[in-house]
Order: sequence, then structure tokens, then C-alpha cells
Amino acid sequence: NAGVTQTPKFRILKIGQSMTLQCTQDMNHNYMYWYRQDPGMGLKLIYYSVGAGITDKGEVPNGYNVSRSTTEDFPLRLELAAPSQTSVYFCASSYSGTNEKLFFGSGTQLSVL
Amino acid sequence: AQSVTQPDIHITVSEGASLELRCNYSYGATPYLFWYVQSPGQGLQLLLKYFSGDTLVQGIKGFEAEFKRSQSSFNLRKPSVHWSDAAEYFCAVGVSVGNEKLTFGTGTRLTIIP
Repeated sequence: NAGVTQTPKFRILKIGQSMTLQCTQDMNHNYMYWYRQDPGMGLKLIYYSVGAGITDKGEVPNGYNVSRSTTEDFPLRLELAAPSQTSVYFCASSYSGTNEKLFFGSGTQLSVL
Repeated sequence: AQSVTQPDIHITVSEGASLELRCNYSYGATPYLFWYVQSPGQGLQLLLKYFSGDTLVQGIKGFEAEFKRSQSSFNLRKPSVHWSDAAEYFCAVGVSVGNEKLTFGTGTRLTIIP
């Protein structure tokens, strides 16, 4: 059972470039989340989804976009990369949306130079 | 809004010694409390959680945590640490409305020395 899979693991972008961080889960979870983790900070929620076709903003959505066309996939799009988006990004999923265990991917380390 | 504080940025303990990681929260009602562990290069993994009932909660890997309402604390303990426990530990507090309101602490990095 693969769980939550994120690709790529590492990426370096130039300012202004775009990219998509991929996230796939095989647990048939309805709820999926994108977090960013900055040094010395807790995880901050970027976007989340409660099911296919439904997404909503989290605490720090600016500069990002998401889509959820299937239950399995929840890609995160950076349109115009900025140095402030240098961070480690984690995708997570859960069976239900109310304080259930979150299953995390192994993360994507992104540097914007 | 809820908040969570982990006062210790970095803790070093000897292998075999006991461990206590501190977590304090602020919330007007009974919170949902979690401890997650992040091993190097990995995502977070749930160690244990508290919703209600017995205030001493047992988790995986020999960890336990105790909810103390009077102190607004949810400290994580382990009687004897192993080198494999070296990781970053995050406390998180949730409220009744859902995971999207989960607030993570800034983490405590645990180093184990022989």
C-alpha cells in the first residue's frame, strides 16, 4: 500500500517559473491537504479539498492554485515562483475531515532562486 | 482561535534516558490534541491523539502523553529513548470543525547521543 505519494522530491526553480507538485493517494480518502513547512515554523495549510471537484483555501493560499478532478490526485500549482515560496511542501490525506489521523507524503523540497 | 506552543526548539538526551517533550495549547474548550513525528526526509506520522476520556494516552513506538487541563498541556513522554527516536516532534491542536483548522506547533528536534 503506497499511501500518499509526492513528486518530485526536490526541485529548483528560477523566479517567475511555474511548476506543479503532484500528490496521489491510494487509500480512497475524500480529504486532501497541502501544507508548507518553513524552518522553525509549524506546518501551514495552503489549500484543502473535501472531495473531487471541491477545494478551499487554507491559511496561506496566495501564489498557489489547486484542482481535484479525481479522488486520488490533488496537484498544487505554482504559477509565478517567488523566493518566498522556497519551502518544503507536504501533501496529506484523511478518511474523514474531523480531527482524524492525517497521512503524509514524504515531501517536496522546493528552492526558488 | 486556538494556538499551540512547543517551548523547546532542540533537546538532546542520552540513549536509554527518559524523555519529556512539552506542549502547551490555548483554546476555550476541550481541544483535540495530537503528537506527530517527522523522521529525516519523511513526512509526519501520527504518534498519538487525545479527544476525550482517559487523560493518559498511549501511542505507537512506546510513547505516551498526558492531557492536563489545569496546565493547558499535553506533554509527550517515553521512559527510555532509542537512537531511532531522533526526529522532529510536532504537537498539534484541533477544534471540532475539522482538520482544516488543525494548528501545528513549531516542533522540537530530538537528538540522541550514545
